[in-house]
Amino acid sequence: NAGVTQTPKFQVLKTGQSMTLQCAQDMNHEYMSWYRQDPGMGLRLIHYSVGAGITDQGEVPNGYNVSRSTTEDFPLRLLSAAPSQTSVYFCASSYSRDSLYGYTFGSGTRLTVV
Amino acid sequence: EDQVTQSPEALRLQEGESSSLNCSYTVSGLRGLFWYRQDPGKGPEFLFTLYSAGEEKEKERLKATLTKKESFLHITAPKPEDSATYLCAVHSGSARQLTFGSGTQLTVLP
Repeated sequence: NAGVTQTPKFQVLKTGQSMTLQCAQDMNHEYMSWYRQDPGMGLRLIHYSVGAGITDQGEVPNGYNVSRSTTEDFPLRLLSAAPSQTSVYFCASSYSRDSLYGYTFGSGTRLTVV
Repeated sequence: EDQVTQSPEALRLQEGESSSLNCSYTVSGLRGLFWYRQDPGKGPEFLFTLYSAGEEKEKERLKATLTKKESFLHITAPKPEDSATYLCAVHSGSARQLTFGSGTQLTVLP
């Protein structure tokens, strides 16, 4: 089925560990983005990409890195996990940054940092 | 800075009891206001885009309306399967990204 695929669905990390959250889409979307969702705070943009080789920071980028080597994939790297990064992470894609047709979201990765 | 406030935070309805969810926004140059539905353990699912004041969109039991300061999501004769969190977001010409509200958790009791 076409859509946005995120792996893993669940992850527990120890403080200081690093890991990569995977995101892949098969809709040939140029725009991809990462959000985190915390209770009572809504979805907040971490990083985004408007095409292969182009990335930029969102509202809460500290502690995260991204790269976009292909149109399909947009991994999110946690460099040194901290308890404040405990959250649910969503990857989203669309035809363009300014698309008014809505974003397609993945099913999320629930991350706990202990 | 774009801001979105949703109310109420949570709403419990009996099946068939119609109601409305509110989304108030402050934005510089609104390009679109979005409604999403989010089920537990899932990502948000796109419902509507509204572009200008006075516009209305409908989908099954849901109708979204837009004014210059707020949007309403009207739910007519809801069913238990309408239970979900409903998210509102705005896209402005200045920020060029989606700003989300914190959502309204709707529970429809049979």
